[in-house]
Amino acid sequence: ILNVEQSPQSLHVQEGDSTNFTCSFPSSNFYALHWYRWETAKSPEALFVMTLNGDEKKKGRISATLNTKEGYSYLYIKGSQPEDSATYLCAGYNAGNNRKLIWGLGTSLAVNP
Amino acid sequence: EPEVTQTPSHQVTQMGQEVILRCVPISNHLYFYWYRQILGQKVEFLVSFYNNEISEKSEIFDDQFSVERPDGSNFTLKIRSTKLEDSAMYFCASRSQGGESEKLFFGSGTQLSVL
Repeated sequence: ILNVEQSPQSLHVQEGDSTNFTCSFPSSNFYALHWYRWETAKSPEALFVMTLNGDEKKKGRISATLNTKEGYSYLYIKGSQPEDSATYLCAGYNAGNNRKLIWGLGTSLAVNP
Repeated sequence: EPEVTQTPSHQVTQMGQEVILRCVPISNHLYFYWYRQILGQKVEFLVSFYNNEISEKSEIFDDQFSVERPDGSNFTLKIRSTKLEDSAMYFCASRSQGGESEKLFFGSGTQLSVL
């Protein structure tokens, strides 16, 4: 069974700081990893979907890397802004017939102005 | 930009009552999902729906739960006899045809409170 863990659980940074957090998952049976950004009272919004080992994706100041051999993904935010405050969720798909997204608990980011 | 819409945004009900949570997925999407998050816990998969039938369901999705796509646009989740532990934020999601490398589009959720 795929188990997805995220760390840290919460993070407080100052505006302008760069930050990163981790999503870990079992490296065997991996198929795809999703990152979502979830602001309070809004819909979770897809940031990245990653499938290939060594994959690196970027969207503005946010980027993510994927290491399927060791079972982790990093999400980086460069020069954090108050509007980056949100919960960042990762979710993994396992390979095989019984595919469903298994979610981590999320990292709650608060950026202080 | 097309979006998934959910109604109502909040639902308060008495234990034992039936509730129906409504979702309108993005119109050209073919795969539909319900997830829920109990406060302080991980997002949990409930059910996936494709080609007018359930393609997968979790152990949470017992006989009290059902889904329907009655008219080709709405996608509903019914809880027949609500329990206190059903209190959660319920999210509907959809995706276009394609593999699991396709991202999900989520609605803004229905907060269900069972008293």
